[in-house]
Amino acid sequence: KNQVEQSPQSLIILEGKNCTLQCNYTVSPFSNLRWYKQDTGRGPVSLTIMTFSENTKSNGRYTATLDADTKQSSLHITASQLSDSASYICVVSAQAAGNKLTFGGGTRVLVKP
Amino acid sequence: NAGVTQTPKFQVLKTGQSMTLQCAQDMNHNSMYWYRQDPGMGLRLIYYSASEGTTDKGEVPNGYNVSRLNKREFSLRLESAAPSQTSVYFCASSESRSGPRGSYEQYFGPGTRLTVT
Repeated sequence: KNQVEQSPQSLIILEGKNCTLQCNYTVSPFSNLRWYKQDTGRGPVSLTIMTFSENTKSNGRYTATLDADTKQSSLHITASQLSDSASYICVVSAQAAGNKLTFGGGTRVLVKP
Repeated sequence: NAGVTQTPKFQVLKTGQSMTLQCAQDMNHNSMYWYRQDPGMGLRLIYYSASEGTTDKGEVPNGYNVSRLNKREFSLRLESAAPSQTSVYFCASSESRSGPRGSYEQYFGPGTRLTVT
């Protein structure tokens, strides 16, 4: 069964500090991996999409890495800001069946001043 | 561009009542989706419409029906609401369900928070 596991479930960091979120998946056959940011009360918004051949992708202060061999991804937030407080969702797409998406449960990040 | 819009934002139903959640997109996307999000769980696909005129079941379709009214609009209907359907419902759209990278990026609406008592 395709699964996406994220850790930690939640974390608190001080403004200006860095943090790294983890994502492990068992989706097969792999097509692409996405990271979404979801603010409280809003819909998810895409941060990055990575295919099999990409191992790093940046979007401003967000950097995602992908190790397709170990089926792991991470999202690194640099110099966190209060606006980074949100849930971050890892989503993996499987080839075939129209790129079916499997969503992780998310990591809730709280940035404190 | 409003992107993906959903109505209503909040709704409280009694068990057995029916209602329709509305979704519209103005990005000329072919594919549209309905998800539900429950605490501690990932989003789960209820139904999707790969293109105008087609609909297919997702992971958790029981208790729901959908209508792809036209290219812009995709509605989700609960015929007889149950407490287990208490959830946040998200509509999303993408240019297509597969193909080149950018074409399958999904854009989400703001969600409808539904409580069934």
